[in-house]
Amino acid sequence: VQLVESGGGLVQPGGSLRLSCVVSGISFNSHYMSWVRQAPGKGLEWVANIKGDGSEKYYVDSVRGRFTISRDNAQKSLYLQMSSLRVDDTAMYYCARDLGYSHGYGLGYWGQGTLVTVSS
Amino acid sequence: DIQMTQSPSSVSASVGDRVTFTCRASQNINSWLTWYQQRPGEAPKLLIYTAATLQSGVPSRFSGFGSGTHFTLTINSLQPEDFATYYCQQADSFPYTFGQGTKLEIK
Repeated sequence: VQLVESGGGLVQPGGSLRLSCVVSGISFNSHYMSWVRQAPGKGLEWVANIKGDGSEKYYVDSVRGRFTISRDNAQKSLYLQMSSLRVDDTAMYYCARDLGYSHGYGLGYWGQGTLVTVSS
Repeated sequence: DIQMTQSPSSVSASVGDRVTFTCRASQNINSWLTWYQQRPGEAPKLLIYTAATLQSGVPSRFSGFGSGTHFTLTINSLQPEDFATYYCQQADSFPYTFGQGTKLEIK
């Protein structure tokens, strides 16, 4: 089982970044996928998720309108397009797959994260 | 959004002790509650889902209880590898929300 994130880095406030997550070893197409972030020394914050067929997307208020979650089931890949980045978006970003086929059973599989730093 | 509150924020214990953490939801989430363990420098790991179901491979010294708005995570006979931060998360409705975490430290 592997979830491998990429695309993090240093970006200036107001800039954009696109995160990717490639999944292998587990089913992908039928499960909700999420992005969760963790600011340095802080707790976990759920950011967004997307249904298996891409038909439903949900966001935390602090990123709605700035971040867009998407997926490519043929490539078993998850994405997070981030724009109008702010200093408080600085965090480790994890991708995670729901444990069950329907939501409610938590995030059972996690990547190791990709670090996003927003600074001038 | 549903707010999740964990207590205490930190606790010190010794190997072999039994500890219990609490998580409260701001509204009824039935049993849609998940517990995670996170060790420093690692990704979170799912321990318990639907409030009381142990994830495959998780030691039986971990147990969860509760429904509605009040939930607990208990660890019996603490082992050295259990010293970590524990988070609860409501999985009842979007946006999913986490508690602020309880850090378990070695006494």
